[in-house]
Amino acid sequence: SQQGEEDPQALSIQEGENATMNCSYKTSINNLQWYRQNSGRGLVHLILIRSNEREKHSGRLRVTLDTSKKSSSLLITASRAADTASYFCATASYSGGGADGLTFGKGTHLIIQP
Amino acid sequence: DAGVTQSPTHLIKTRGQQVTLRCSPKSGHDTVSWYQQALGQGPQFIFQYYEEEERQRGNFPDRFSGHQFPNYSSELNVNALLLGDSALYLCASITRGGKGYTFGSGTRLTVV
Repeated sequence: SQQGEEDPQALSIQEGENATMNCSYKTSINNLQWYRQNSGRGLVHLILIRSNEREKHSGRLRVTLDTSKKSSSLLITASRAADTASYFCATASYSGGGADGLTFGKGTHLIIQP
Repeated sequence: DAGVTQSPTHLIKTRGQQVTLRCSPKSGHDTVSWYQQALGQGPQFIFQYYEEEERQRGNFPDRFSGHQFPNYSSELNVNALLLGDSALYLCASITRGGKGYTFGSGTRLTVV
């Protein structure tokens, strides 16, 4: 079963604009991760945020986590055509380590228009 | 440095048959997880292997089984294939304490 839902399901923006995706989840978590997937192939890990953190940055990525609302957001600034992909949030709820099995949402399909 | 390697890349099987998928983790990683991804859906966690034992399991029937070898590589076995088993099967590896999985490109299984 899916842990959470990404919103929106699909997003189309112009190159250079910022893209924001949201993720909601249902149960208590130890950490939340974001992954990118191109053309239905392997996933690429983008960023991990722990349950006691509220915000993290990595390059053009900014992730926030609100455990009281059980939600997270991923912001991609200054989007590029190469950012076109599906983005998934994933939660870890077991032992709290980075090696836990993950529960994924259904993803947001992001299209960057040139 | 090779990442996660999965074989085969594509596979067609007949309903009722059995299938074995293989995965070599990224160098230095000792934990392997398997996921099933149906078209248009997010990956679903099948199980995780560490030190040659199944450590965590998702909501999948016993038809799904696995193995991890001393060199950390892993196999996923599915018995009595159903049409609904058609999906992309992803292998991911990590080291204990790691901050994110490395995924392979997957095996596309089609059951006819």
